[in-house]
Amino acid sequence: DTEVTQTPKHLVMGMTNKKSLKCEQHMGHRAMYWYKQKAKKPPELMFVYSYEKLSINESVPSRFSPECPNSSLLNLHLHALQPEDSALYLCASSQRSLNTEAFFGQGTRLTVV
Amino acid sequence: AQTVTQSQPEMSVQEAETVTLSCTYDTSESDYYLFWYKQPPSRQMILVIRQEAYKQQNATENRFSVNFQKAAKSFSLKISDSQLGDAAMYFCAYRRAAAGNKLTFGGGTRVLVKP
Repeated sequence: DTEVTQTPKHLVMGMTNKKSLKCEQHMGHRAMYWYKQKAKKPPELMFVYSYEKLSINESVPSRFSPECPNSSLLNLHLHALQPEDSALYLCASSQRSLNTEAFFGQGTRLTVV
Repeated sequence: AQTVTQSQPEMSVQEAETVTLSCTYDTSESDYYLFWYKQPPSRQMILVIRQEAYKQQNATENRFSVNFQKAAKSFSLKISDSQLGDAAMYFCAYRRAAAGNKLTFGGGTRVLVKP
């Protein structure tokens, strides 16, 4: 199983809503990531979790709140988003060792209205 | 800070022909990894090929090969015998050896394959 599964695939939310994005992997990877990708742009790193601990926060606004309940799951809680937060949100995972690649999910297409 | 530059926004290739995508990067590190990722319309980023900076031999994966020039900080991707399924955005990416998996991506090159 080399899959990273993200749900939902599409999400439309209002600026006052609270929603969560979910990511799951069963490859035994101990590092998990959230990336944000705007249209026709490369992915930009948001957060890195290593062994269920937040190791990197790329100065992301607090309206985005990550959570890693266990080694297989990664959530991104969303609250009071702005229309400019509309983007594709990609989850990725990798083994802890440094010479391995990241596996990506198919992303959640988020639209904030 | 590391930067990755892809100078070709779009490349077109005839089916069964060869296309080469350019990538240059800027770093002061000596130990790092370089990747090419493919992103088709399905949106999933798929690893195409990986190159370790300490290896002089260019990586090859079936129809995909790289030309890694460490001194010139250049990392081009050659797609041979192009197929319709190769049509996608291609991103070059850099990762410091000591930085876990924090990838720095280039701006991407869209590859169009003509039947």
